[in-house]
Amino acid sequence: QVQLVESGGGVVQPGRSLRLSCAASRFSFSTYAMHWVRQAPGKGLEWVAVISYDGSDKYYADSVKGRFTISRDNSKNTLSLQMNSLRAEDTAIYYCARGYLSGNSWTDYWGQGTLVTVSS
Amino acid sequence: DIVMTQSPDSLAVSLGERATINCKSSQSVLYSSDNNNYLAWYQQKPGQPPRLLIYWASTRESGVPDRFSGSGSGTDFTLTVSSLQAEDVAVYFCQQYYSVPYTFGQGTKLEIK
Repeated sequence: QVQLVESGGGVVQPGRSLRLSCAASRFSFSTYAMHWVRQAPGKGLEWVAVISYDGSDKYYADSVKGRFTISRDNSKNTLSLQMNSLRAEDTAIYYCARGYLSGNSWTDYWGQGTLVTVSS
Repeated sequence: DIVMTQSPDSLAVSLGERATINCKSSQSVLYSSDNNNYLAWYQQKPGQPPRLLIYWASTRESGVPDRFSGSGSGTDFTLTVSSLQAEDVAVYFCQQYYSVPYTFGQGTKLEIK
């Protein structure tokens, strides 16, 4: 069964940085696009970013563009999200999810998420 | 950006009855070159990540009970639960993957009446 395990969440002050990781296993990681999706406490889902299977293409939500960077290491089956200049509104559970297709696609497997709290 | 609007925000249905959730996109998510609607539905139970139910607007994911069905095309879509079971209590989200950003609807909370 596909496994996605996020880590790296925690409490961080506004303006600081945090790096999230997602360890993937039990599937051929290097052949799938990967997404980050977040959910503020008690709120809906917000798509954050996607990276193509080989890392050549990356797209972001306007709310994080220029502050967040998605990346992957296919040799280590790991997806990352570097978050800079964090704001209170970035507080959320961050999920990594697998894109079923290499192009525009739904997400078929999700991790359990890691909580990021931005607070002074 | 494509805006996804769900209705209603919450819905209470009796066990065994039909539940219908609507999703409207601000522009068509039907891709003319392949005639597919780039629309998915997810179910999220408390404390859990979302679970994929439907993709291509009407294709049920493997393992999803057949009481869940999706329909619609272009800008108007529907998720139907034909006979509500207790385990279907959850929040349901639609998402378009036609173009980035891949936006979600605000969610519909489904409860037992």
